[in-house]
Amino acid sequence: GAGVSQSPRYKVAKRGQDVALRCDPISGHVSLFWYQQALGQGPEFLTYFQNEAQLDKSGLPSDRFFAERPEGSVSTLKIQRTQQEDSAVYLCASSLKTLNQPQHFGDGTRLSIL
Amino acid sequence: TQLLEQSPQFLSIQEGENLTVYCNSSSVFSSLQWYRQEPGEGPVLLVTVVTGGEVKKLKRLTFQFGDARKDSSLHITAAQPGDTGLYLCAGARGAGGTSYGKLTFGQGTILTVHP
Repeated sequence: GAGVSQSPRYKVAKRGQDVALRCDPISGHVSLFWYQQALGQGPEFLTYFQNEAQLDKSGLPSDRFFAERPEGSVSTLKIQRTQQEDSAVYLCASSLKTLNQPQHFGDGTRLSIL
Repeated sequence: TQLLEQSPQFLSIQEGENLTVYCNSSSVFSSLQWYRQEPGEGPVLLVTVVTGGEVKKLKRLTFQFGDARKDSSLHITAAQPGDTGLYLCAGARGAGGTSYGKLTFGQGTILTVHP
């Protein structure tokens, strides 16, 4: 497809389970971002990749959160031992290059932890 | 820490009215972007402003970047029900040489336009 694709669209997990969220960016886009969006709030930055290199992970809430982009294309955000406060929409965005380039967002994965 | 204060949080108006949404910060941004987000979808970029004092128009929407590049506004003329949605401002900053476009979002303005 032409846009950023995220899967699954919805994920329900029990507290303590591990989850993996996938992002397929626009082909050729160098930059990839993950954001977390709580209900009724603006997205908050989690982490950034330039190609396969994770250059900034300052927004990851805890060491339970891990992201990778091994071949510089598809990225996976993994959350271990999920907690109820992890419930949110996780958005992925990609851009062609870096500063001042528009970020194209996927439709997100809505994660609910029971 | 919310570096971008967006106001108002909620706006409910009648079709045909005008409205302005504000986005303020004490920090300087290299660029500021406005997004619109519909339920169940990701944010969609409306405009990017880069130069202090810049004004951009997109049909009935007018965007302004403050002279000091710390604030911005979105003005909608003659609002229509199709304008209903969540409007987000987001600033990009280059800090310490890491100018990769990391966005800081405001908390959003939920706009409802009634027919």
